[in-house]
Amino acid sequence: EADIYQTPRYLVIGTGKKITLECSQTMGHDKMYWYQQDPGMELHLIHYSYGVNSTEKGDLSSESTVSRIRTEHFPLTLESARPSHTSQYLCASSRQNTEAFFGQGTRLTVV
Amino acid sequence: AQKITQTQPGMFVQEKEAVTLDCTYDTSDQSYGLFWYKQPSSGEMIFLIYQGSYDEQNATEGRYSLNFQKARKSANLVISASQLGDSAMYFCAMRDFPYNNNDMRFGAGTRLTVKP
Repeated sequence: EADIYQTPRYLVIGTGKKITLECSQTMGHDKMYWYQQDPGMELHLIHYSYGVNSTEKGDLSSESTVSRIRTEHFPLTLESARPSHTSQYLCASSRQNTEAFFGQGTRLTVV
Repeated sequence: AQKITQTQPGMFVQEKEAVTLDCTYDTSDQSYGLFWYKQPSSGEMIFLIYQGSYDEQNATEGRYSLNFQKARKSANLVISASQLGDSAMYFCAMRDFPYNNNDMRFGAGTRLTVKP
């Protein structure tokens, strides 16, 4: 069983609030990813990291930021939440050329 | 950047029959990996099977097998003896290997429904 954890599992927040979604893994994986997924739809890559102090933007990253200060921790921050951010956010990690392990996801609702 | 295409938004299969889910990809790299994931209605992503671009044999994992045709750039998932619990979304994904800072991208997914 993969050891990657996301908190919170569910979050309802008002428009304009700043929020941070937490993601931690205990497998020592170098690579970590954030994806946004509407129910039953495709996964959109938001950000990814291939090691400490390295981050790259994906396809939907313009309204969020990430940091990778420690190998095990990869938080995602929305500076000003909007209703269009309502979605599921999935965090994943992997070694160099292996499959990615996913967390349980955070279901975010912005009202 | 690589591109993954899954052309079947939805598929139906009778219980105990086999089903093939299509996946084509586009990349200019010679070294890459292809992955299939299952996502039940509960939302978690479950890794199913992996195929490396230099693997000479098609990958198999229990009832899952991957029909890899490198020249056609296709990596179709075959599920044999379908079970009701196989009803879920299935995603094909790809990662290019030559670069250290490579990402993993997904196709749009196929919703499989197994009928009793």
